[in-house]
Amino acid sequence: AQKVTQAQTEISVVEKEDVTLDCVYETRDTTYYLFWYKQPPSGELVFLIRRNSFDEQNEISGRYSWNFQKSTSSFNFTITASQVVDSAVYFCALSHQNTGNQFYFGTGTSLTVIP
Amino acid sequence: NAGVTQTPKFQVLKTGQSMTLQCAQDMNHEYMSWYRQDPGMGLRLIHYSVGAGITDQGEVPNGYNVSRSTTEDFPLRLLSAAPSQTSVYFCASSTDRARGQPQHFGDGTRLSIL
Repeated sequence: AQKVTQAQTEISVVEKEDVTLDCVYETRDTTYYLFWYKQPPSGELVFLIRRNSFDEQNEISGRYSWNFQKSTSSFNFTITASQVVDSAVYFCALSHQNTGNQFYFGTGTSLTVIP
Repeated sequence: NAGVTQTPKFQVLKTGQSMTLQCAQDMNHEYMSWYRQDPGMGLRLIHYSVGAGITDQGEVPNGYNVSRSTTEDFPLRLLSAAPSQTSVYFCASSTDRARGQPQHFGDGTRLSIL
């Protein structure tokens, strides 16, 4: 079975605080892909990052960083020095080698950054 | 570059009416899909297509039909709208030439069924 769990439904932080969004996935496949998307209040879905199951290197892009750990089936997302513009719903998603481009989404984490 | 275009952006229907949500992409992507987004449930796959003439069901296909006569277009049809179909609908596309590609989403259609 394929499943993505984002246990944090809502998070509020004060501006400039760091925040980590959790994502735990379940899959029996050895080849799979993980994604994060951002949905700002305007409603569109913005692709942030893709990681394949063979690449466990952490990645940093500006204030964003991602920690992929196969041992715990987690792909967590950290925002450093949060800003009001980071307020959005963030979705984690999973796809597999064997199911083409079908995505399995988590239920999302709503992040509010308070000025 | 338009990317994925969805029309309309908003629609209100009465129970029992039919409607087609339009989706077009100009990136020559093989794979297209429809999702619905409901509060607390994330995005759930309705139908998808891996190329012209080929469609398949996703997680929540009941009450919806699709067809794929061209690479560019992937319309979603509600045959007899029900209040449970009130949702935000997203169309997405991606290349199928390599696995694990990110999906490109349209801006969504907010649909209310009265």
